[in-house]
Amino acid sequence: DTGVSQDPRHKITKRGQNVTFRCDPISEHNRLYWYRQTLGQGPEFLTYFQNEAQLEKSRLLSDRFSAERPKGSFSTLEIQRTEQGDSAMYLCASSPETSGRRGDTQYFGPGTRLTVL
Amino acid sequence: AQSVTQLGSHVSVSEGALVLLRCNYSSSVPPYLFWYVQYPNQGLQLLLKYTSAATLVKGINGFEAEFKKSETSFHLTKPSAHMSDAAEYFCAVINQAGTALIFGKGTTLSVSS
Repeated sequence: DTGVSQDPRHKITKRGQNVTFRCDPISEHNRLYWYRQTLGQGPEFLTYFQNEAQLEKSRLLSDRFSAERPKGSFSTLEIQRTEQGDSAMYLCASSPETSGRRGDTQYFGPGTRLTVL
Repeated sequence: AQSVTQLGSHVSVSEGALVLLRCNYSSSVPPYLFWYVQYPNQGLQLLLKYTSAATLVKGINGFEAEFKKSETSFHLTKPSAHMSDAAEYFCAVINQAGTALIFGKGTTLSVSS
């Protein structure tokens, strides 16, 4: 169990550019989540995958955002035409499948800090 | 709908003093509640969680929390603060579908010697 990993840890980009982040969940965790955390705030939910299926998306996930989990393992989050307001920490989490979903622990990665200039 | 409110964005204690971080929740279904800790430039680590079993929950690093339905509270405590406890603490409730954690705004704990 090596934990959830995210790459890159830091990304600086210019407004209007596209960026892509990667998340590798804990092996055998079939549930994967993306959150966004801005300075001084708690994380906010973006989207949820069960295996390769994206089952829930927040209203925060605008049309410029897309997330995939093609083989039910790693996931990518792409932001197109970045804006300064996209500057934030993007956190990925994973959890195992159990019978009681609401009590599952979500294990978080270290995050990718995005700065849009 | 579910939500949590953390009272006090910043708490300062002396080393060895009691730590009390406050969290109140609102939930239309029986709540499942979590406390996470975040160190600078790191992800979140689970301290403890309440999943409708015992109301007094013990977690890692000497932390515990008590679920009080009548007060809609889930406050985090530690009898004796250590310098290494300085961090940001987040209270969260899971949504009804079990797909998203809803976090409070966090409380920064400072520990002085």
